[in-house]
Amino acid sequence: GAVVSQHPSWVICKSGTSVKIECRSLDFQATTMFWYRQFPKQSLMLMATSNEGSKATYEQGVEKDKFLINHASLTLSTLTVTSAHPEDSSFYICSASRRDRVTYEQYFGPGTRLTVT
Amino acid sequence: DAKTTQPTSMDCAEGRAANLPCNHSTISGNEYVYWYRQIHSQGPQYIIHGLKNNETNEMASLIITEDRKSSTLILPHATLRDTAVYYCIVRLWMDSSYKLIFGSGTRLLVRP
Repeated sequence: GAVVSQHPSWVICKSGTSVKIECRSLDFQATTMFWYRQFPKQSLMLMATSNEGSKATYEQGVEKDKFLINHASLTLSTLTVTSAHPEDSSFYICSASRRDRVTYEQYFGPGTRLTVT
Repeated sequence: DAKTTQPTSMDCAEGRAANLPCNHSTISGNEYVYWYRQIHSQGPQYIIHGLKNNETNEMASLIITEDRKSSTLILPHATLRDTAVYYCIVRLWMDSSYKLIFGSGTRLLVRP
């Protein structure tokens, strides 16, 4: 168990448009979901943390009006990149912590590669 | 900021043990050490975690020093598929959530 999926796996969009990325925990309920961004040859950078039914907490330097996070249920979180620009092109990865585990380990999705042209 | 430091890269021969070190000298008493790995263009894969005791699972062993200031991940019989970036992470309690702050990781190359 502990499978996390993301959709789409890759997306190309035009500058100025918005893109929505979904993150689902398939076989467990997630206490918390996390969104990361990874540029080529760099490490993962935590963007925001979201708990079901409450507002996301954004890391310093991440624009909350540009990266909209909705965590509507215990198995689904979405990240919307609004008014995307080429510099937003990146690998976006979500993770989820299991609700039923004391140690709260995070399970990661396969990532979504966003290219803004 | 990440609370860990790791060598940038390592290599080992296929079939031999891979020992990946990690320093976390500022770790607090109740903070866990987690290890994940990332194969190119995929999401990180959980390997193992520990608090103070050594841990072993089907993937690896984790050896934590008595003072908890460093640890070593051991892949007992490395295969070519173990080539990846390995991240040692101290899980932090921040803003009412447990968070993983990734450092630079160690790029492990397993040689045939």
